[in-house]
Amino acid sequence: GAVVSQHPSWVICKSGTSVKIECRSLDFQATTMFWYRQFPKQSLMLMATSNEGSKATYEQGVEKDKFLINHASLTLSTLTVTSAHPEDSSFYICSAKPAGGFQGQFFGPGTRLTVL
Amino acid sequence: GNSVTQMEGPVTLSEEAFLTINCTYTATGYPSLFWYVQYPGEGLQLLLKATKADDKGSNKGFEATYRKETTSFHLEKGSVQVSDSAVYFCALGNAGNMLTFGGGTRLMVKP
Repeated sequence: GAVVSQHPSWVICKSGTSVKIECRSLDFQATTMFWYRQFPKQSLMLMATSNEGSKATYEQGVEKDKFLINHASLTLSTLTVTSAHPEDSSFYICSAKPAGGFQGQFFGPGTRLTVL
Repeated sequence: GNSVTQMEGPVTLSEEAFLTINCTYTATGYPSLFWYVQYPGEGLQLLLKATKADDKGSNKGFEATYRKETTSFHLEKGSVQVSDSAVYFCALGNAGNMLTFGGGTRLMVKP
């Protein structure tokens, strides 16, 4: 149980385009979802926290107008990278926290974004 | 604030060797502690966890004990396999559901 999927797993786009990444909890309801960014050989950097039905909370230094997050339901959150540029190329990972007392997160497989 | 410190890698071992990856933390309150594993090109998978002092998390031959007195959560395995090659992340979770990650330790196991 506790499976989180991401789509797409890999995307290449031209500079200036927008890319939407979906994160779904497949077998549980996620009250909170998290979006991380990971650079090569580095740890995960939390970008934002989203709770279903409310606005996302962004970490310091993360542009909310650049990285649009929507958490429309208890099983789906989306991250849209707007007007992507080469420096946005990275591995984006989402995670989901099940409702209840479990103090942990289940992670998606990640989406590799390459902006040309 | 919360922080997690892991030993830097890469750690290179021969198959069947004993593994220890050190992890120490600083935190307020009573956090939960986790080890996650990331295989090449994949997301993170929860390996094991411990929610209170003296708890031992275990999975797939890996173990870690929550030591409050030394603020540590070292990962151990008695006999590593080539398939254990991955990056291991120690993490701390608080009541606010946030995870604080260590920098990750790359393990390479040679046949």
